[in-house]
Order: sequence, then structure tokens, then C-alpha cells
Amino acid sequence: GQNIDQPTEMTATEGAIVQINCTYQTSGFNGLFWYQQHAGEAPTFLSYNVLDGLEEKGRFSSFLSRSKGYSYLLLKELQMKDSASYLCAVIDNDYKLSFGAGTTVTVRA
Amino acid sequence: IAGITQAPTSQILAAGRRMTLRCTQDMRHNAMYWYRQDLGLGLRLIHYSNTAGTTGKGEVPDGYSVSRANTDDFPLTLASAVPSQTSVYFCASSPDRGAGELFFGEGSRLTVL
Repeated sequence: GQNIDQPTEMTATEGAIVQINCTYQTSGFNGLFWYQQHAGEAPTFLSYNVLDGLEEKGRFSSFLSRSKGYSYLLLKELQMKDSASYLCAVIDNDYKLSFGAGTTVTVRA
Repeated sequence: IAGITQAPTSQILAAGRRMTLRCTQDMRHNAMYWYRQDLGLGLRLIHYSNTAGTTGKGEVPDGYSVSRANTDDFPLTLASAVPSQTSVYFCASSPDRGAGELFFGEGSRLTVL
């Protein structure tokens, strides 16, 4: 099976920066996604990385290192509305998408 | 508004009963998926369909069946519900399997007593 690890919980202050790490061991690699999920809602797409490096999209950035099996999601200038779960997901060689258990981020005033 | 519609949004069901969760998308996506989400375990794939007329088993298929008679609809059936199937179920779609982001429905919360 696939193994995708990310921290269970993180807490940060409004206006700060938080980095959510994700490590993976999968049967091949065809891309990595980050999704955001607010409590009681459906996951929504944040970012997609298939090549090594940093992808920046506004306050959110995602980094990938394929050789290390590692990604992180960087949230800058945190806002209260960023309190949510963040899901790391990897596509393997069979094009199957597997999710990590998610990281719950709590933003405090 | 284009997207994915799931029904029902919430259901309480007696063990042993049959239940079908409905999923419809209007984005003409080829691939569709059913996931269950449980606390601490994340999203786990139950079944998927690469295109109309085909289906495949995911990570946790036992006790569930699906059909894909056309592009838009992908119902999930629990033939005889058990308490361990209490979960939140998400239907999702993507343009093709493994290509493009997944679009999720709003979820169906199922409680089996």
C-alpha cells in the first residue's frame, strides 16, 4: 500500500507562517496534490506539483522534492479563515490517488 | 452551477438495510470516484470508474458496489449495511483518471445503527 505521512495538528498565530510537511512512499510517482478541507465541507484543490521545486499561488506555496519523497505546503500571512484540514495526496504509477490523513491547522488571534 | 451533486446529505440507517448513495456530475468528466472519510484515517478510495461502462476496486471495496451506466451518474450501493460503514462518503470526479484535480461533492453522512 501507499504510505503518506503528515503531522496531525498544527497551531499558529494570525499573520504568521506555517509549513505543513508531507512525506510519501508510493509505487511510483505521477504528481502530488494539496487540498484544503474546512470542517463539515468537501475538500477543495489548492496546488499540484509534478516537477521538483516551488509553486507559488498567492499566500500559498507548495514545494516538491521527488528524490526525497517530500513536499511541503507553506501558508503565509495566516488568516482565521485558513483554519482547516490540509490533505496531501499522491498519484502513483497506476494513476491511483492516495491521501494522507490530513493536518488540522488552527489559527489563533 | 456546474459540479457534483450527492444525495442524501445525511442518513441514519438500520444495520442490514440496503442503501444507495447517489452522485451526479455535469462536467462531462470521464473519471469518477467514491471515497469514505473517517477520523484519523483520511480519505480512502472505495471504487472508481475510468469511463462510462467500467468500474474498478479501490482500497476498501468490501461491502460496496458501484455502476456507471452513463457519464454523469455513479451510484454507490451498500447491499447490507453494517455499523463499520458509518462514515462520511465523498463522490469526486476528474477529467480523466490521474489527470487533473479532483472535484468533490458535498458529502453524504451515513450512520448505521
